[in-house]
Amino acid sequence: QSVLTQPPSVSGAPGQGVTISCTGSSSNIGAGYDVHWYQQLPGTAPKLLIYGNNNRPSGVPDRFSGSKSGTSASLAITGLQAEDEADYYCQSYDSSLSAWVFGGGTKLTVL
Amino acid sequence: QVQLQQSGPGLVKPSQTLSLTCAISGDSVSSNSAGWNWIRQSPSRGLEWLGRTYYRSKWYNDYAVSVKSRITINPDTSKNQFSLHLNSVTPEDTAVYYCARIPDARLEYHFDYWGQGTLVTVSS
Repeated sequence: QSVLTQPPSVSGAPGQGVTISCTGSSSNIGAGYDVHWYQQLPGTAPKLLIYGNNNRPSGVPDRFSGSKSGTSASLAITGLQAEDEADYYCQSYDSSLSAWVFGGGTKLTVL
Repeated sequence: QVQLQQSGPGLVKPSQTLSLTCAISGDSVSSNSAGWNWIRQSPSRGLEWLGRTYYRSKWYNDYAVSVKSRITINPDTSKNQFSLHLNSVTPEDTAVYYCARIPDARLEYHFDYWGQGTLVTVSS
């Protein structure tokens, strides 16, 4: 059971948009710690997609955006492309565990 | 451009010690801003942060409670690398292990560079 809760799967047609939620608690997201998002393609390491709640590293398309409110955060992907099919993970810090924590991951299927 | 290159065995026997190394290029293990981490991923436990080492005038380590009694992370300044040692392993420790950098050791930061991953299987 991961500390941060994500839906196991989401799907959308090419060109459409999807949102992936990440729900935490008062010891992590709700405590004010930033949320970060990673994209993981099969057989590869996670790749930083969004940092500091809503910032994109150089090279990440602006189709990807993040937001945070209260004890939750969301990753929005617009204009879905086949190459977006991957697993997506949220990450924050938990003060009760004194540890960096991750969500269980969401598998995005582009129909 | 920071690159992290992992090395180490892919098979470890139960009760023995798992040892992996992460060689750094494009940054320094003795950086006064970055932190150097080990993270593992398995179907049963998902992504799990294991621990970190960082330098701020002296060396510091932080470890996850789940492995604190069994883990050591050591920097090697002569080779610009850091290592993971996890002792008394069981099949539950079977996972893909990653090294990763946090650009700033403050708690709210992210992992911006990752190693390629090493699948470690614990089996006799």
